[in-house]
Amino acid sequence: QKEVEQNSGPLSVPEGAIASLNCTYSDRVSQSFFWYRQYSGKSPELIMSIYSNGDKEDGRFTAQLNKASQYVSLLIRDSQPSDSATYLCAVNEYSSASKIIFGSGTRLSIRP
Amino acid sequence: GAVVSQHPSWVICKSGTSVKIECRSLDFQATTMFWYRQFPKQSLMLMATSNEGSKATYEQGVEKDKFLINHASLTLSTLTVTSAHPEDSSFYICSARDSWTGGRNTEAFFGQGTRLTVV
Repeated sequence: QKEVEQNSGPLSVPEGAIASLNCTYSDRVSQSFFWYRQYSGKSPELIMSIYSNGDKEDGRFTAQLNKASQYVSLLIRDSQPSDSATYLCAVNEYSSASKIIFGSGTRLSIRP
Repeated sequence: GAVVSQHPSWVICKSGTSVKIECRSLDFQATTMFWYRQFPKQSLMLMATSNEGSKATYEQGVEKDKFLINHASLTLSTLTVTSAHPEDSSFYICSARDSWTGGRNTEAFFGQGTRLTVV
């Protein structure tokens, strides 16, 4: 059973601080990794995708991938109250017929 | 990011009737579409994966005769909930993605979701 694991939270972070979200996956052949944000009552929206080991930065967001450790993380700098949401880690195998497997999500709360 | 449009955004129907939900990719060709269901405060549950022109692949425990999926074109997939019952009330979300890009799967983009209430 291929799995994606996330701490469900809630993770409470003060405004302006760095929020760190973590995810581990079980399938070693996974090649594509995504972070989605989901506000309550809304559908998920893509924040970042990462395919290679190392860091990928986009504005206040940095995704980090370590394939050897089967670990992917998302850092949010200068956290804002509007960042309060559930963050979903998603993993895709290296196959044209593969499906995207989602973690159960981490609830992030930014306190003013 | 690419745009996926899902319609309707909410629907209320009577028990025993059928409801059709549409999912369209507006600015790309969606070779693969996914259908999810999400109950309040729970995670996404994948119901089925559909590839254009092929029969959908359903996840274990999902009744294919109750949740009919059609992916007849590269921009449209539909989910029909047949003979709906109150326990089918949920948030249904589609996502779509293009084919390979550079030898790896691309991102999937989500529709707005459809909140179904069966009374």
